[in-house]
Amino acid sequence: AQRVTQPEKLLSVFKGAPVELKCNYSYSGSPELFWYVQYSRQRLQLLLRHISRESIKGFTADLNKGETSFHLKKPFAQEEDSAMYYCALSSIGAAGNKLTFGGGTRVLVKP
Amino acid sequence: NAGVTQTPKFRILKIGQSMTLQCTQDMNHNYMYWYRQDPGMGLKLIYYSVGAGITDKGEVPNGYNVSRSTTEDFPLRLELAAPSQTSVYFCASSGTIYEQYFGPGTRLTVT
Repeated sequence: AQRVTQPEKLLSVFKGAPVELKCNYSYSGSPELFWYVQYSRQRLQLLLRHISRESIKGFTADLNKGETSFHLKKPFAQEEDSAMYYCALSSIGAAGNKLTFGGGTRVLVKP
Repeated sequence: NAGVTQTPKFRILKIGQSMTLQCTQDMNHNYMYWYRQDPGMGLKLIYYSVGAGITDKGEVPNGYNVSRSTTEDFPLRLELAAPSQTSVYFCASSGTIYEQYFGPGTRLTVT
């Protein structure tokens, strides 16, 4: 069975400091991994996906198959980064994209 | 373009009552999903649909039913509500395998 683990429920950092959100997964196939974010009073939305290898809002995430990890990083956190972040693993098939979510990490960026 | 809409926003049910959570999308997406999120946990897939007339169970389908008579609508039915169904329910849709669009959620309490 596939599983996604986010070990930190809360990360509190000061503005300008680096932030790293940990995500570990277990999956027998070739994983497709995503980070979703939910800002206060907004909907859950896609932040980035590993297949795109892109940087969104200064965030990057590298898939490490050896360590089965997909940690999210930003070198200089901003107050607007305060939000709930969810790592998700996809079993892509006939159902489109069934997602398995981690428990989420709340990021609080202090001024 | 409203995206994914859900009604109601909040609902309190008594044990044994039934209700339908409504979900509508206006993006002409084939894939639709229902998730539930318990406090402090990640989202878990209840049911999904790959197109009108086609639905299938996700990870936690017990106590729920769905139907998909049109591309736009994907209602979730709760029969004989139980306290264990107290949760936040999210509907999502996708047109590709790489991004899901989420509704604002329905907060349900069963007492």
